[in-house]
Amino acid sequence: KAGVTQTPRYLIKTRGQQVTLSCSPISGHRSVSWYQQTPGQGLQFLFEYFSETQRNKGNFPGRFSGRQFSNSRSEMNVSTLELGDSALYLCASSLTGQSYGYTFGSGTRLTVV
Amino acid sequence: TQLLEQSPQFLSIQEGENLTVYCNSSSVFSSLQWYRQEPGEGPVLLVTVVTGGEVKKLKRLTFQFGDARKDSSLHITAAQPGDTGLYLCPSNTGNQFYFGTGTSLTVIP
Repeated sequence: KAGVTQTPRYLIKTRGQQVTLSCSPISGHRSVSWYQQTPGQGLQFLFEYFSETQRNKGNFPGRFSGRQFSNSRSEMNVSTLELGDSALYLCASSLTGQSYGYTFGSGTRLTVV
Repeated sequence: TQLLEQSPQFLSIQEGENLTVYCNSSSVFSSLQWYRQEPGEGPVLLVTVVTGGEVKKLKRLTFQFGDARKDSSLHITAAQPGDTGLYLCPSNTGNQFYFGTGTSLTVIP
């Protein structure tokens, strides 16, 4: 079966711009979570969506937002980009949540210049 | 708040050596997963353990879940360069995982 697909794979943006990242989960998976990974901080939880509703949210500023569509595909948006937003953004899907683990995509590498 | 500690933080060994990495929590895990992440890729789920004292083997990898379900170890026998990566055992807090910074393993050919 197809894995978790994240697009684009690489992205370069300028400070102050906004960006939208996309995630297509494994077919049938209803939970989608987003993580930010930087060398010093490791993987940090952004938010989780389940059946189009944000079920949980991490400790990130309001510039980071997301949504989930009826087909479970999810997008995350970052507005007013800052240099510190440069990171690998990972999407993970599961059937209903974390209990039996997540399947991750390959990530989107965002560079803010 | 569940506190998670993975050790060592960094490990560099020669091909063929054995190694063990550890995952310790201040709270009980309802279930525990180990992931491996290769550079530039997302983490890949290696195993899920649920029962205290459980031992699972995956080829050269042996995973052990502590009796009290607050700790786990991953033992790799005869490490190979393909084992290089970041090993993560996230803790469960409600509906989110806390991954921490993991153990970065480098196996030198």
